[in-house]
This record gives sequence, structure tokens and C-alpha cells, in this order.
Amino acid sequence: AQRVTQPEKLLSVFKGAPVELKCNYSYSGSPELFWYVQYSRQRLQLLLRHISRESIKGFTADLNKGETSFHLKKPFAQEEDSAMYYCALSGGSGNTGKLIFGQGTTLQVKP
Amino acid sequence: DVKVTQSSRYLVKRTGEKVFLECVQDMDHENMFWYRQDPGLGLRLIYFSYDVKMKEKGDIPEGYSVSREKKERFSLILESASTNQTSMYLCASSTVGGVQPQHFGDGTRLSIL
Repeated sequence: AQRVTQPEKLLSVFKGAPVELKCNYSYSGSPELFWYVQYSRQRLQLLLRHISRESIKGFTADLNKGETSFHLKKPFAQEEDSAMYYCALSGGSGNTGKLIFGQGTTLQVKP
Repeated sequence: DVKVTQSSRYLVKRTGEKVFLECVQDMDHENMFWYRQDPGLGLRLIYFSYDVKMKEKGDIPEGYSVSREKKERFSLILESASTNQTSMYLCASSTVGGVQPQHFGDGTRLSIL
């Protein structure tokens, strides 16, 4: 079964500390993975996708097929990073674009 | 910039009412989706559509139906609203051609009394 697990409901760090938001997935094929972010009172938006291998707002995420993980990392957290973060997996056939989301992790960056 | 517009930000309805949630996208996207967002449960897919008049059930379709008569519009219908359908509802769209990210609306916070 396809599944995405974000084990932490809440991650609280101080400004300047490193951040790692965990994401583990279960999928038998070749997954496409995404991180979405929702800032307070804003719509859910794409943060990054593994296929792009990019760094957005200082965040990176590496797909580890051996550990079936796609953790989101940032070396120095900023207060404006406080938000809800969702990991999502696309494993559907064809081009339906169906995504499976994790439960979400709230990141709280304290001053 | 992709615009996904949901007709209402807040909606209050009564148990047993038939409720319509409307979503319009302006980028000619083929795929459209309806999710509900609940604390601790993340986003759960209710229904999706990959073409006009086409629909597929998601993970939690019970108590819901959808309509896609035009490419830009995807409606979610609660046939007989119940209190356990109180939630935040998110609409999203995406294009085809490999795996494309989804673009989301602002959401509709629906309360069923």
C-alpha cells in the first residue's frame, strides 16, 4: 500500500538551529516526492520536488530509496519558516497526478 | 500564475442539507482534486477528475459526489450534510505530462451544525 508517514506532529526549534522534518514513504515503484508548505492564513503551496534537486528558501530534501525517506532539511532555521509542512508522494499510474499526503508537521521556530 | 478559486472561505450549514462547494481554475488544467484537511490526518483525497465528465473516487468518497461539466470547474457535493463532515476543504488542479505539482485554492472551512 502507498503511504506517507510524518512521525512528528510538532517540531519546535530556536532560530538559527538546524531543522530536519522527517518523511518516510511506502511504495513499490519509483516514487515522485514533494514537500508542500502552508504558512499561516495562506494557501498550501509547493516548496520543492525531489526530481528538481533544488534548494528553496534554504531547504533541501534528498530521496533515500534504501531508507525510503525524503527528509526536509535546513541548516539554520528562521522565524519565517514557521508553518505546516506536508510530504507528498505521487505513485499513481498514468498522468492522473494523484498525490498521497502525510499527516503534516508543524514547524515552530522560536526567537 | 495559476489561480484556483474556491467560491467560499467560510460556510455554515445544517445537518441534512445538500451542500455545494465550487472550485474554478484558470490555467486549463486537466486534473482537478478535492481534499479535506483535518488536524493530525493531513490531506485526504475525496475525489478527483482527469477530464470533463470523468471522475474517480479518492480515499474517502462516502457521503460526497462531484461534478465536472466544464474543464475549469469542479464541484463537490455533500448529498446530506452530517456533523462529521465539518472540515477544511481544499481544491487543487494540475496539468498532465509527467508528474506535475498540484496548485491549491485557499480552502473552504465548512461547519455543519
